[in-house]
Amino acid sequence: DTGVSQNPRHKITKRGQNVTFRCDPISEHNRLYWYRQTLGQGPEFLTYFQNEAQLEKSRLLSDRFSAERPKGSFSTLEIQRTEQGDSAMYLCASSLGDLAGSTDTQYFGPGTRLTVL
Amino acid sequence: GIQVEQSPPDLILQEGANSTLRCNFSDSVNNLQWFHQNPWGQLINLFYIPSGTKQNGRLSATTVATERYSLLYISSSQTTDSGVYFCAVNFGNEKLTFGTGTRLTIIP
Repeated sequence: DTGVSQNPRHKITKRGQNVTFRCDPISEHNRLYWYRQTLGQGPEFLTYFQNEAQLEKSRLLSDRFSAERPKGSFSTLEIQRTEQGDSAMYLCASSLGDLAGSTDTQYFGPGTRLTVL
Repeated sequence: GIQVEQSPPDLILQEGANSTLRCNFSDSVNNLQWFHQNPWGQLINLFYIPSGTKQNGRLSATTVATERYSLLYISSSQTTDSGVYFCAVNFGNEKLTFGTGTRLTIIP
């Protein structure tokens, strides 16, 4: 299966700890997205990359959150000093976009479920 | 502000029934996707349909961009169709804005 993969699938941490999630996109996809989904809601956009460049960040992405995609392949999302309100499913998606900025189908990974105690 | 609304919020049907899910959006869109989120949280792509009609097996979708709505049709429902259905749109930028979702329950 060459879909989007995410690790870990589940993470339980104590308030105040730092956590890091990894996303591996579909291999030929140059765009990578992070979303967050809380219980009973639809996913909400956090940030996206075109290759290694981070092009847009939501206001939901506080200064405790940082995302990287250093070589334009996999990406990491780090949350520092976690809070109980950070508990959510963190979803990664990828797409194949051309340089003209056209949108294309986004394919989602299975998500990382974070629980902050 | 930009809005994506889905109806109905909940739908309970007997196995074998047909259903229509609706997605209304508040502005012109570059892209519209329908997803099925299974009980484990995985978002499964159903359709990429900014306009027109597409069919895939028992599922079909129609988007009327000029009237700012899309419909997802499910025929001969099966219990495996249960889950939450989301539409999501691009309003001229890269991010997907998700709708409020329709929770579908198919009873055997």
